Amino acid sequence: NAGVTQTPKFQVLKTGQSMTLQCAQDMNHNSMYWYRQDPGMGLRLIYYSASEGTTDKGEVPNGYNVSRLNKREFSLRLESAAPSQTSVYFCASTRDTVNEKLFFGSGTQLSVL
Amino acid sequence: AQSVTQPDIHITVSEGASLELRCNYSYGATPYLFWYVQSPGQGLQLLLKYFSGDTLVQGIKGFEAEFKRSQSSFNLRKPSVHWSDAAEYFCAVDRGSARQLTFGSGTQLTVLP
Repeated sequence: NAGVTQTPKFQVLKTGQSMTLQCAQDMNHNSMYWYRQDPGMGLRLIYYSASEGTTDKGEVPNGYNVSRLNKREFSLRLESAAPSQTSVYFCASTRDTVNEKLFFGSGTQLSVL
Repeated sequence: AQSVTQPDIHITVSEGASLELRCNYSYGATPYLFWYVQSPGQGLQLLLKYFSGDTLVQGIKGFEAEFKRSQSSFNLRKPSVHWSDAAEYFCAVDRGSARQLTFGSGTQLTVLP
């Protein structure tokens, strides 16, 4: 079972460049999430999508946009990357709410120079 | 505001020794509480969760956690640690919306042979 698949695994950007992180799940989950992980800060929620066609801001949405393309796919876009966005990004999904089991992808290591 | 504190950044134990990882939360009502584990280079995996009822909950891989309302704590324990338990452990709490988890900053566990 693939579970949650994220691409790419690694990316290096220059300040001001744009890119899209892709996420897909094959578990027929309704809810999908984007987190960033920084040393000593745990995981912080960027955006989430409770169902196809809806998206909502999380704790740290500034500088990011998201698209819930369909039930399977949830992408995260950096329009103009900044060094402060250097982080490890995780996509996650769950059937409905966070009180069920969150399934995580293996992460994208992003460096912005 | 709801928060989660993991006071220990790094813990080292010998294989076969017992383990206790601390987690404290601040929240007015009884929260939904979780422990997740992250192996190197991987996404997070749910170990166990507490919603209500019995304050001692059992999880996967031989882990358990005890909810103590009087101490606002949800500590993770394991009687005998295995080398494969070396990982980073995150405590998390539902912010009350069932849509967002607040994660602690994590505890890195090193297991000595």
